[in-house]
Amino acid sequence: GENVEQHPSTLSVQEGDSAVIKCTYSDSASNYFPWYKQELGKRPQLIIDIRSNVGEKKDQRIAVTLNKTAKHFSLHITETQPEDSAVYFCAPKTSYDKVIFGPGTSLSVIP
Amino acid sequence: EADIYQTPRYLVIGTGKKITLECSQTMGHDKMYWYQQDPGMELHLIHYSYGVNSTEKGDLSSESTVSRIRTEHFPLTLESARPSHTSQYLCASSAIQGHNEQFFGPGTRLTVL
Repeated sequence: GENVEQHPSTLSVQEGDSAVIKCTYSDSASNYFPWYKQELGKRPQLIIDIRSNVGEKKDQRIAVTLNKTAKHFSLHITETQPEDSAVYFCAPKTSYDKVIFGPGTSLSVIP
Repeated sequence: EADIYQTPRYLVIGTGKKITLECSQTMGHDKMYWYQQDPGMELHLIHYSYGVNSTEKGDLSSESTVSRIRTEHFPLTLESARPSHTSQYLCASSAIQGHNEQFFGPGTRLTVL
């Protein structure tokens, strides 16, 4: 079956530094690649997504890059702030129109 | 305002009880999902639906059932609650067309004694 992995599982950075989280998937026909953020005690929310015909997308301090050949996409957060502390989930959509959430990456931004 | 609603938000019950967790959405979405999640941990798909009278089992569907009689309503029923069911249950919905972003409800935190 389809497999989705995230690395690292936990990440601690100093405020102002950059953070990168990588998501690898197994279905080469996946065509939609979102990232969700879940703050403590809150519901997951989409923060950025990318489609298979685009290599990179930016939205202020966050960006997503896609490497379809290698079957991975990454979340990049620059100039991290304490409010970026959360669990981040990737959720690629497979060719069977099924969304599979990764196991999550816990990001801590140290002031 | 379009949103997803879950009731109750918190529930404490005894072992063996039958419970139904309610989920309603005013997003106009066809797809709906139920996930089980311990705090900060992985989201486990329990059930999903592509529309009225459509229900499918996810990876973690044992001992629970769902129904989809109306587009906006997707209740989850545990026939006999056990302490292992203690967790948070998140309902979500998405459109069939377009980007398929999932919108989540606030969750129901269930404790089975």
